[in-house]
Amino acid sequence: DADVTQTPRNRITKTGKRIMLECSQTKGHDRMYWYRQDPGLGLQLIYYSFDVKDINKGEISDGYSVSRQAQAKFSLSLESAIPNQTALYFCATSDPTSPQIQYFGPGTRLTVL
Amino acid sequence: RKEVEQDPGPFNVPEGATVAFNCTYSNSASQSFFWYRQDCRKEPKLLMSVYSSGNEDGRFTAQLNRASQYISLLIRDSKLSDSATYLCVVNKGGAGSYQLTFGKGTKLSVIP
Repeated sequence: DADVTQTPRNRITKTGKRIMLECSQTKGHDRMYWYRQDPGLGLQLIYYSFDVKDINKGEISDGYSVSRQAQAKFSLSLESAIPNQTALYFCATSDPTSPQIQYFGPGTRLTVL
Repeated sequence: RKEVEQDPGPFNVPEGATVAFNCTYSNSASQSFFWYRQDCRKEPKLLMSVYSSGNEDGRFTAQLNRASQYISLLIRDSKLSDSATYLCVVNKGGAGSYQLTFGKGTKLSVIP
């Protein structure tokens, strides 16, 4: 079984809809992250969480919110989706002793029409 | 200069060839460096860390030049399975600190 799972894997939605992307991990890591990847661009950090009570904005948090429901679960919400949020979204985890080593989930491909 | 800059490629090389990718970074205070590999439509995975003295892992060799703010990845005896996008990743933070910047990646296609 995969250590980091994401649901859904693919989603097509319409402008203005609320969307939630979910991430679960069995690695026992405290740190979890949400990234987006656009064609021809590097991964960009949206939000990160170092433990259940710690949530931090990344470089592109506008239009997104997160919830850390448990150590193993970190969800990303788009309150009112817009077309330029069409992207590939990755969840990742890391161990505090080696935060640079990121373990990514398989990704969620989101299309906003 | 962009924070982390890579030649996007694509690099199209025959099987068995040696290929090298370069990456430059703008922040001289950057602490640690990595290469990640991303297959088409898949998640990135850590390929190797990059150490100041250079390091090797099988057919892969990574080099760091702090003075020139330059990182390289050399792949010898290329295999078809090496076809992927290679991401240069730089951490500005110290040990235990997360301040990662990902490059846009260099695409490699190994041709039979």
